[in-house]
Amino acid sequence: DAKTTQPPSMDCAEGRAANLPCNHSTISGNEYVYWYRQIHSQGPQYIIHGLKNNETNEMASLIITEDRKSSTLILPHATLRDTAVYYCIVRAMNTGFQKLVFGTGTRLLVSP
Amino acid sequence: DAGVIQSPRHEVTEMGQEVTLRCKPISGHDYLFWYRQTMMRGLELLIYFNNNVPIDDSGMPEDRFSAKMPNASFSTLKIQPSEPRDSAVYFCASSLSSGVSAYGYTFGSGTRLTVV
Repeated sequence: DAKTTQPPSMDCAEGRAANLPCNHSTISGNEYVYWYRQIHSQGPQYIIHGLKNNETNEMASLIITEDRKSSTLILPHATLRDTAVYYCIVRAMNTGFQKLVFGTGTRLLVSP
Repeated sequence: DAGVIQSPRHEVTEMGQEVTLRCKPISGHDYLFWYRQTMMRGLELLIYFNNNVPIDDSGMPEDRFSAKMPNASFSTLKIQPSEPRDSAVYFCASSLSSGVSAYGYTFGSGTRLTVV
């Protein structure tokens, strides 16, 4: 799986949008971008994934650049409960089952 | 569905003792994973199963660790003998194999193991 680079930490004010960047400059054409988060003392939780188009669900939006070398996870209105470590992972999906390999992620702190 | 269920939530044991961690995956999921998380090494994949068969155990640290999946609804991770450096949070996760799974992996709440 391609390596990803994320900032180690970010801060965000409650109610504001949180924009978490991820670089994956060596991503291959068959690799998807996945985002998970881990709230303290809990197991990681799936957020969203995408291949090349922007994606949105009830939790977040995923913006992938046209060259697919980077992406941004957007939490439109961050709450205190969004404080967590966010992991960006790239993973191929059409070459047999590929395991998820977690990096160090971005620790997001949402403050009042 | 109750999600992935792990037991116990917390385990404290003495060095040299055998420890068994348990996991019940989501019904219908055909992949099961064991991860370990420490401050120093982050989340590490230890082993995973497909249809109850171990596929990749390259992450298992040493022979003291073993994992089994006797049926589709149960898996164990055993450490014998345990050592203080095994102290960590152990997560179990399950997944469907079909294409791009909409929800990826589902993780359990973890077992916090402390070896003294």
